[in-house]
Amino acid sequence: EIVLTQSPATLSLSPGERATLSCRASQSINNYLAWYQQKPGQAPRLLIYDASNRATDIPARFSGSGSGTDFTLTISSLEPEDFAVYYCQQRGNWPLTFGGGTKVEIK
Amino acid sequence: EVQLLESGGDLVQPGGSLRLSCAASGFTFSNFAMTWVRQAPGKGLEWVSAISGNGRSTYYPDSVKGRFTISRDNSKNTLSLQMNSLRAEDTAIYFCTKVPTGGTYYYMDVWGRGTTVTVSS
Repeated sequence: EIVLTQSPATLSLSPGERATLSCRASQSINNYLAWYQQKPGQAPRLLIYDASNRATDIPARFSGSGSGTDFTLTISSLEPEDFAVYYCQQRGNWPLTFGGGTKVEIK
Repeated sequence: EVQLLESGGDLVQPGGSLRLSCAASGFTFSNFAMTWVRQAPGKGLEWVSAISGNGRSTYYPDSVKGRFTISRDNSKNTLSLQMNSLRAEDTAIYFCTKVPTGGTYYYMDVWGRGTTVTVSS
């Protein structure tokens, strides 16, 4: 099973700041990684797939990068609605697995 | 508009069974794979099962293999999850999700609102 480790667990930032979230895989998954955003009481939403492709209607301030075992989600300038929990997910091998999540909170 | 609506969540005793359903609309259901993902209270996301668009391929993690069965009725645009031998650790919100392909790769591009399963005596 591929283990995804997200860091940091919590990121405390102010609106307008840049957020950098990390996801590390226990073995290479090429670029087969997605990022999701989840707000309290809501279902997750797909942000990025195959490491760097924005999903439909996702603002350009969200970008993804990486390949192999190290991946990054960057939010260039935080908007109030971006404070949420972010999860990575790999599709490189069965079983599909998620990271433990990074909470982006208002400082 | 693409929509997924789960139902069937309930309080059930350990060892019991439950069947979840997901009604899909707004897209050609048979063209897309589907999955179930769960989230225990205050915890992260856990993938539970997946099925290809034509229903011929199914996948499970070890945590539910042999206890859960995913199925679909493409004539009724419905996805199901039969859960047997339920345990306290199966307590979670269960999300139905759509995959952007028929089964060549599995991400979750549309999510339902979820249905709550509680396993307790």
